[in-house]
Amino acid sequence: DAGVIQSPRHEVTEMGQEVTLRCKPISGHNSLFWYRQTMMRGLELLIYFNNNVPIDDSGMPEDRFSAKMPNASFSTLKIQPSEPRDSAVYFCASARQGWKDTQYFGPGTRLTVL
Amino acid sequence: AQSVSQHNHHVILSEAASLELGCNYSYGGTVNLFWYVQYPGQHLQLLLKYFSGDPLVKGIKGFEAEFIKSKFSFNLRKPSVQWSDTAEYFCAVTRSGNTGKLIFGQGTTLQVKP
Repeated sequence: DAGVIQSPRHEVTEMGQEVTLRCKPISGHNSLFWYRQTMMRGLELLIYFNNNVPIDDSGMPEDRFSAKMPNASFSTLKIQPSEPRDSAVYFCASARQGWKDTQYFGPGTRLTVL
Repeated sequence: AQSVSQHNHHVILSEAASLELGCNYSYGGTVNLFWYVQYPGQHLQLLLKYFSGDPLVKGIKGFEAEFIKSKFSFNLRKPSVQWSDTAEYFCAVTRSGNTGKLIFGQGTTLQVKP
C-alpha cells in the first residue's frame, strides 16, 4: 500500500488567497484525521471523519477553515481566506476504525502564507 | 481538559547512552497510550501503543514504554540509543472507546551524537 498521500507537499501563498490541501487515506481505512503542527502549539487535531462523516470538528480554528470528505478515498481541507498565522505543517492520518486503531500519517503539507 | 505533558523538550545523548523520555497525562479514566516518532524530513510513525494488559510495552527498534497508572505516566525507554534514533518523539493519549480525541504532547527532540 502506498500509505496516506497528501498534496501538495509544499504550498506558498499570499494572505487572502484560498488554499486547498488534499488527502488520500489508506484503502480500507474508515477514519480520517486532519492535524496541524506548529512550533507554538505542537500537534493539534482539526477534524475527524468516520465513514466520510465529520465526527469531531471542535479543533477547527474558525470559519475560514472547512473540510470535506466526499468519498472514502479523498478529503480536502480548505482555508479561505488564508492568513499568515495559518502557516504550519498540515498532516492527514487514517485508521481502520476510530480512535482505538493505529493512525497512519501522511507526509504532511508545509503551508506558508506570506 | 485532558492534557499530555512531555517533560523534556530537547535531549542530547551520546551513542550507547540509555534513554528515558517522560510522558504524563491528566485524564483519570481508562486511556489508550501511544508513542509516535518523526524522523527528520519524514512523517509520524507509530513506535508503540498500550491499550490493556501488560503495562510494559515493547515497540519497534528496541523501544519500550511502561504504563504506570498510579503516576499517570507512560515513559519511553531505550537501553542504548543510536545515531539513527535522532528524531522528535510524541506521546499521545486517548480515552477508550470511539469518541475520544487523540491528544499529543508537545514533543521531545532527541539528538544523538555519534
